Amino acid sequence: DADVTQTPRNRITKTGKRIMLECSQTKGHDRMYWYRQDPGLGLRLIYYSFDVKDINKGEISDGYSVSRQAQAKFSLSLESAIPNQTALYFCATSDLTGAGYTFGSGTRLTVV
Amino acid sequence: DAKTTQPPSMDCAEGRAANLPCNHSTISGNEYVYWYRQIHSQGPQYIIHGLKNNETNEMASLIITEDRKSSTLILPHATLRDTAVYYCIVRVSNSGYALNFGKGTSLLVTP
Repeated sequence: DADVTQTPRNRITKTGKRIMLECSQTKGHDRMYWYRQDPGLGLRLIYYSFDVKDINKGEISDGYSVSRQAQAKFSLSLESAIPNQTALYFCATSDLTGAGYTFGSGTRLTVV
Repeated sequence: DAKTTQPPSMDCAEGRAANLPCNHSTISGNEYVYWYRQIHSQGPQYIIHGLKNNETNEMASLIITEDRKSSTLILPHATLRDTAVYYCIVRVSNSGYALNFGKGTSLLVTP
């Protein structure tokens, strides 16, 4: 099994719908992240969590919310999806250092 | 975290060394240089990192200038599978901040 598992891998949803992207990890790390990537651009941070009780907004948190259900689980929700949220979403986990990031395989989300 | 500047794209012939530059002129004394790469829509993968000294591992070498204002990632014998976007990131090792990936350098390895 992968260290970081994202579900679903692909999703098409309609404008205005609520959607949840899920992430689970087996690395045992406290720190988890959600990034978004648009074509031709680098990854931008949406939210991050340093432990179950610690949730922080990233660079582009508007329109998104998160839930850290357990050390191993971190979900991202789009309360009312809009077309410009069409993107590739990555979940990651890390240790305390900058070398310890492990990424999931990504969720490709299309909002029509 | 210090800002980094990388060329948007580079080409390299298969079997040759790929040298990817990164400028980080505002780097602080306790900031490390990290390199990650992202192969076509996969999640980024850690390559190497360093503080002052040159570093080498099974994937690559990292050369950091003496003044630490720039660095070069070297893939000694590039293969087609090294075609990817390479990100240079500067950060204090255990600062607690999330990695800022920027736009990186798109490396194309050609046959």
